[in-house]
Amino acid sequence: NAGVTQTPKFQVLKTGQSMTLQCAQDMNHEYMSWYRQDPGMGLRLIHYSVGAGITDQGEVPNGYNVSRSTTEDFPLRLLSAAPSQTSVYFCASSYSISTDYEQYFGPGTRLTVT
Amino acid sequence: DQQVKQNSPSLSVQEGRISILNCDYTNSMFDYFLWYKKYPAEGPTFLISISSIKDKNEDGRFTVFLNKSAKHLSLHIVPSQPGDSAVYFCAASLGYGQNFVFGPGTRLSVLP
Repeated sequence: NAGVTQTPKFQVLKTGQSMTLQCAQDMNHEYMSWYRQDPGMGLRLIHYSVGAGITDQGEVPNGYNVSRSTTEDFPLRLLSAAPSQTSVYFCASSYSISTDYEQYFGPGTRLTVT
Repeated sequence: DQQVKQNSPSLSVQEGRISILNCDYTNSMFDYFLWYKKYPAEGPTFLISISSIKDKNEDGRFTVFLNKSAKHLSLHIVPSQPGDSAVYFCAASLGYGQNFVFGPGTRLSVLP
């Protein structure tokens, strides 16, 4: 199993550009989520999904869109990049949203918006 | 305002000694807690958990203590090893079906 994979590892965008961060898991997990990590802020939840076709907002959803057309994939779209979106982005998956199951994280995407 | 706080951004410990990482939370309704460990350029990995019905949980060298009245939990690592050097995140959840809220992390350095 590859676990949770994220692409790209690094990305530089100009303000106003759009892009999609890819996330895939091969563990047949129902629950997937996106976090951003900023210095002194820990991991903050952007969006999450409890299954294919179901998504919901987390703590900091503004400026981001998600969709979940398959169990395996959960892409994160930046609609119009802003310098405030400079961060490290982590995708995670779990068997379910239940606290009985740990989350598995991808290696992260470091995004810089200039 | 952060609901989960880790007030020590960093901690240095000698190899073989005990490392104690602290975490405080503000919402008394949190009833499930996790610790994650993160190495540079990698995603966080699950370390240990504790439910609010317990006050202690052990897994090898790692023990988590929960003091609900003080809204405080701590992670003890005994003995500390250089490979334990990483950032440790505390996370809390309101329970089944609820997402986790993460603290800002504490960077542990274990010195040989």
